[in-house]
Amino acid sequence: DIVMTQSPDSLAVSLGERATITCKSSQIVLDSSNNGQSLSWYQHKPGQPPKLLIYWASTRHSGVPDRFTGSGSGTDFTLTISSLQPEDVAVYYCQQYYSPPFTFGQGTKLDIK
Amino acid sequence: QLQVVESGGGVVQPGGSLRLSCAASGFTFSDYAIHWVRQAPGKGLEWVAVISSPEERQYYADSVKGRLTISRDNSKNTVYLQLNSLRPEDTAVYYCAKDLGWRRLSPVDYWGQGTLVTVSS
Repeated sequence: DIVMTQSPDSLAVSLGERATITCKSSQIVLDSSNNGQSLSWYQHKPGQPPKLLIYWASTRHSGVPDRFTGSGSGTDFTLTISSLQPEDVAVYYCQQYYSPPFTFGQGTKLDIK
Repeated sequence: QLQVVESGGGVVQPGGSLRLSCAASGFTFSDYAIHWVRQAPGKGLEWVAVISSPEERQYYADSVKGRLTISRDNSKNTVYLQLNSLRPEDTAVYYCAKDLGWRRLSPVDYWGQGTLVTVSS
């Protein structure tokens, strides 16, 4: 199974500042059929279902603000929030969908400093 | 309007069984894989299972393999998750979620509100 490891486990950033979360996969998640990195990012707020933010490592899902950016390749990936807003407080998860089981990272809790 | 609604959760004793249902609407159900993801109290998200469409290939997390069975009835736009030999560590909110990709396995783009399964004596 592919192991996904996020860092840090928790993060506090001032409003308007940049937040960066990293995700490392235990093996390459490149889909050779389309040259896409099979890596997605989700935002999860308490009492709500998770929300898809990014897929193919860098494609923003419909309706996701452009302050959310995904990047990376190989085994190292990053989610960047360019200017933190109050509504961004949540737990963020990466997930690989290259090979089942489609494992999640352990999550990164993002708070306001 | 796209909708995914889970049902069937409840309290069950260790070793018991439960069947969860996921009823979907607002999209061509037979064209999309459906996943189950769970979150135990105070823990992170854990992917549990997926059933593809139209081939109905099934994949499971190692932690549930042999105890959980996913199935679908495209005539009813419903996916089922049969949970057997339940353990206290299976206690979680179980989310049903629609796959993003047309007739392929990819991330999930739409989640239900979840149904709580509690395994306790």
